[in-house]
Amino acid sequence: EAGVAQSPRYKIIEKRQSVAFWCNPISGHATLYWYQQILGQGPKLLIQFQNNGVVDDSQLPKDRFSAERLKGVDSTLKIQPAKLEDSAVYLCASSLHRGADYNEQFFGPGTRLTVL
Amino acid sequence: GENVEQHPSTLSVQEGDSAVIKCTYSDSASNYFPWYKQELGKRPQLIIDIRSNVGEKKDQRIAVTLNKTAKHFSLHITETQPEDSAVYFCAASKGTGTASKLTFGTGTRLQVTL
Repeated sequence: EAGVAQSPRYKIIEKRQSVAFWCNPISGHATLYWYQQILGQGPKLLIQFQNNGVVDDSQLPKDRFSAERLKGVDSTLKIQPAKLEDSAVYLCASSLHRGADYNEQFFGPGTRLTVL
Repeated sequence: GENVEQHPSTLSVQEGDSAVIKCTYSDSASNYFPWYKQELGKRPQLIIDIRSNVGEKKDQRIAVTLNKTAKHFSLHITETQPEDSAVYFCAASKGTGTASKLTFGTGTRLQVTL
């Protein structure tokens, strides 16, 4: 099966500019996650969607970050305005969600953002 | 919230030796513990996982042990090979389905030398 797709793979912007990332999860996966991975650290969850609803956005800096998954499939993550500390790899992951089962999270290749 | 600590941050072993990476977690409600391998510039990939009703799980050269009392779990790689060189992340989750968010450790960079 096709994996999680993300675009762009790389993005360089100046601080205070805006940027958007796109994710297409594995077909049929109801749950979608956005993680931020700063160099040398583990991924940190920003937001979790179940279909088109937000399950957890407690670690999303809502003053500058926003995300949506309007039709319960693709998702976009936006940063406006960007700060230097937003430089990181933004990983999208999806999982099937079958009731009480533990569901493996499959990761996309990530978008490497550099803020100058 | 959950906090996962991982040690060591770097580990160098000779080919054929064993490697052990250790993690501790803070939330006793956590019940699912996956391990991910991330090669340079690539996506994290699940290599093994364990649930809280099991103390040990093995898959070929890889094994994971869990001590719920101590809130501690470990990854064991035997007969290491150069292709095992990567960054390894442990993670913890205390839910299934919609409560399945993962809290990751800070990673261990494993270098297998010839």
